[in-house]
Amino acid sequence: QKEVEQDPGPLSVPEGAIVSLNCTYSNSAFQYFMWYRQYSRKGPELLMYTYSSGNKEDGRFTAQVDKSSKYISLFIRDSQPSDSATYLCAFFSGGYNKLIFGAGTRLAVHP
Amino acid sequence: DVKVTQSSRYLVKRTGEKVFLECVQDMDHENMFWYRQDPGLGLRLIYFSYDVKMKEKGDIPEGYSVSREKKERFSLILESASTNQTSMYLCASRSPMRYSNQPQHFGDGTRLSIL
Repeated sequence: QKEVEQDPGPLSVPEGAIVSLNCTYSNSAFQYFMWYRQYSRKGPELLMYTYSSGNKEDGRFTAQVDKSSKYISLFIRDSQPSDSATYLCAFFSGGYNKLIFGAGTRLAVHP
Repeated sequence: DVKVTQSSRYLVKRTGEKVFLECVQDMDHENMFWYRQDPGLGLRLIYFSYDVKMKEKGDIPEGYSVSREKKERFSLILESASTNQTSMYLCASRSPMRYSNQPQHFGDGTRLSIL
């Protein structure tokens, strides 16, 4: 079993839709949960960062963590064409600073 | 604003060549990382460095080495390039673990093709 599972997509939605991106993980030692956004031909940029179970909201973005189910989600409300990118979930268990990444989900928001 | 700069955006080399990829960060971060990114496999850690002259193997260090002579610069070396090292290479830096809410900051990557 892979340590992190993430549906690669592609996911295509119309502008204004609510987008749900998901990752499951198997390592119960993961303590920090992140979402990175990567535009084409650019490096990943940190979008959301959470430590505990529950929801964290930042503008149109909501990160949700369910540690008991080992499941994290990123919701994008009122999606825009500028949200078209690859979204990577990432996990950190402490230790020596190693992040574990999902394979990424490619999202396309069309006008 | 944190800036992580990778010296080349695109690089084409031949099999057997020794290849150097350079990364510079301007935030005085102790920790630096090299990843490769391949379709369907996500980011995989090659090497990382806690501090100057310190290095640790990541998940896929075979065929690579690194050098960290100055705090701001972390170099990835392909000792004898092979076609299976064709990939996107990403450098990242961050403050150390005691500031655990600090994210890794990435450069824009070097797309390396080995012919």
